[in-house]
Parts: sequence; C-alpha cells; structure tokens
Amino acid sequence: DAGVIQSPRHEVTEMGQEVTLRCKPISGHNSLFWYRQTMMRGLELLIYFNNNVPIDDSGMPEDRFSAKMPNASFSTLKIQPSEPRDSAVYFCASRPKLTDRDGNYGYTFGSGTRLTVV
Amino acid sequence: AQSVTQPDIHITVSEGASLELRCNYSYGATPYLFWYVQSPGQGLQLLLKYFSGDTLVQGIKGFEAEFKRSQSSFNLRKPSVHWSDAAEYFCAVVPDTNAGKSTFGDGTTLTVKP
Repeated sequence: DAGVIQSPRHEVTEMGQEVTLRCKPISGHNSLFWYRQTMMRGLELLIYFNNNVPIDDSGMPEDRFSAKMPNASFSTLKIQPSEPRDSAVYFCASRPKLTDRDGNYGYTFGSGTRLTVV
Repeated sequence: AQSVTQPDIHITVSEGASLELRCNYSYGATPYLFWYVQSPGQGLQLLLKYFSGDTLVQGIKGFEAEFKRSQSSFNLRKPSVHWSDAAEYFCAVVPDTNAGKSTFGDGTTLTVKP
C-alpha cells in the first residue's frame, strides 16, 4: 500500500489566491482527518469525515476554509482567499473502521503539504 | 472534555542512554492510547497503541509503553536511544469507539547527543 498520499508537497502562493490541497486515503479506511501544524499552535484538527460525511468541522478556522470528500478515495481542502496566516503544514490522515475487537484506531498520516502564503 | 498532557516540551539524552517520555490523560474511563513519532519534514507515524489487556505494550523501533490506570499515564520508554530517534513524539487518546477523533498532546521534542 502506498499509504496516504497528499499533493502537492509544497505550495507557495500569493495572498488572495485560491489554494487546493488533495488527499488520497488508504483504501478501505473509512475515516479521514485534516490537520494543520504550526510552531505556534501545534497540531490542530480542522475537520474529519466518516464514510465521506463530514462529522466535525469545528476546527475549520473560518469560512475561507472548506473541505470535501466526494468519494472514499479522495478529499480536498480549499482555502479561498488565502492569507499569510494560513501558512502551515497541512496533514491528511486516514483510519480504518472502528471495531472493538482490535482497537485499531491508529491513524496513518500523509507526508503533508507545506503551504506558504506570501 | 478529555485532555492529554505531555509535561516535557523538550528532552535531551545521550546516545545509548535510556529514555522515558511522559504522557498523562484526563478521562473518566480507560481510553485507547497511542504514541506517534514525527521526524523532520514527515507526517506522524504510529509507534504503538494500548487497547486492552497487558499494560506493557511493544511497538516499532524498539519502543515500549506502559499503561498505569492509577496514575492515568502512558509513558513511552526505550532502553537505549539511537541518534535516529531524534524527533518529536506525540501521545494521543481516543476516549471510546464513538468519539471518532483522537486528542493529541502538544508533543515532546527529543534531541540525542552523540
């Protein structure tokens, strides 16, 4: 398995531009999570999906951020318009279906997208 | 609400020395517990997990962790640290199967001295 795949690895954009980050979760995983990591704020959960349905988006900073999961193998995180304070590393993670028997609730993270807004 | 505390922001150990990273959680019942490692420029990688049963769990890269219910702790240990273990380590909990999402600690950065 290729793991969780994120693209692009690096993105530099000008303030006001639209940015789209992409994620392909591990096949068979039914939960997907978007995180943002900065030195100042650490690791922040932005939104997560179960079975392609958004469950908790309370971490999405503001209306400029939106996320979609049109099918089980693809998700996007969009920032429009982007601002310098959005500069961070954005991680996508996926997890298999929760079952009691094996407690396999661990996440598999992608390598992240480093976003720089100038 | 549940919380995870990693009391040590930064730890420095010499190569070959033993290591213990602390993690405390606040939750009424026994949650599911995890340790992740993040090397520079990489995503987080799962080291080990505690679900139930034996309170001493073994993970990858020679790490182990011990769950202590009385202390609400899940400390990570390694008998002999290698230079390649330098990274940031995160403790995480999932309170129950319905919670859905993990709560992560703020992380502990490990520096290994030659």
